[in-house]
Amino acid sequence: GIQVEQSPPDLILQEGANSTLRCNFSDSVNNLQWFHQNPWGQLINLFYIPSGTKQNGRLSATTVATERYSLLYISSSQTTDSGVYFCAVLQGTGGFKTIFGAGTRLFVKA
Amino acid sequence: NAGVMQNPRHLVRRRGQEARLRCSPMKGHSHVYWYRQLPEEGLKFMVYLQKENIIDESGMPKERFSAEFPKEGPSILRIQQVVRGDSAAYFCASSEASGSRNYGYTFGSGTRLTVV
Repeated sequence: GIQVEQSPPDLILQEGANSTLRCNFSDSVNNLQWFHQNPWGQLINLFYIPSGTKQNGRLSATTVATERYSLLYISSSQTTDSGVYFCAVLQGTGGFKTIFGAGTRLFVKA
Repeated sequence: NAGVMQNPRHLVRRRGQEARLRCSPMKGHSHVYWYRQLPEEGLKFMVYLQKENIIDESGMPKERFSAEFPKEGPSILRIQQVVRGDSAAYFCASSEASGSRNYGYTFGSGTRLTVV
């Protein structure tokens, strides 16, 4: 099955810093989503981005489907950005399983 | 417009008891997916259901676990004779349709099952 790898596994930032999280996937995908799991365990949908670039406030994401990777950019990080960021992909033609990466655990220090 | 509703949020069961987890999809969504998240891990697919049909249960343990999505009412994930290893967060997601480029998944807040 499709493999989803995220890097780095852990990240510590000083408040105000910028960061880039990466997601590599091993096969063609129908869609790709980025989620933020906050310290209370809630999964928040950040982006639905099978290709191209999207921006939402301090966050933006880019997916290059032909090269099988996606990037999540966090600018001017805040303590509330702490949590785990998951990349999840829907497998190619006819697929319906969303496969999650292991996540990047982010801690933003005040 | 309520999102995906899961209940209970937290559930404690003794070893050997049964656990029932409920999921009401978003309005207009007819596809439901259950995922399990073990501590410090990502989410793993368990089962995909449409109304009254199990489409794929390849991620479900063969014994003690079952799922249903009746014509009326929420989807139910049932775990019989729970063991400590069943302790996890169970998430439900819903979508309008599957296998399409145009649909993303919306997740509920999860049910955290603790087996003591």
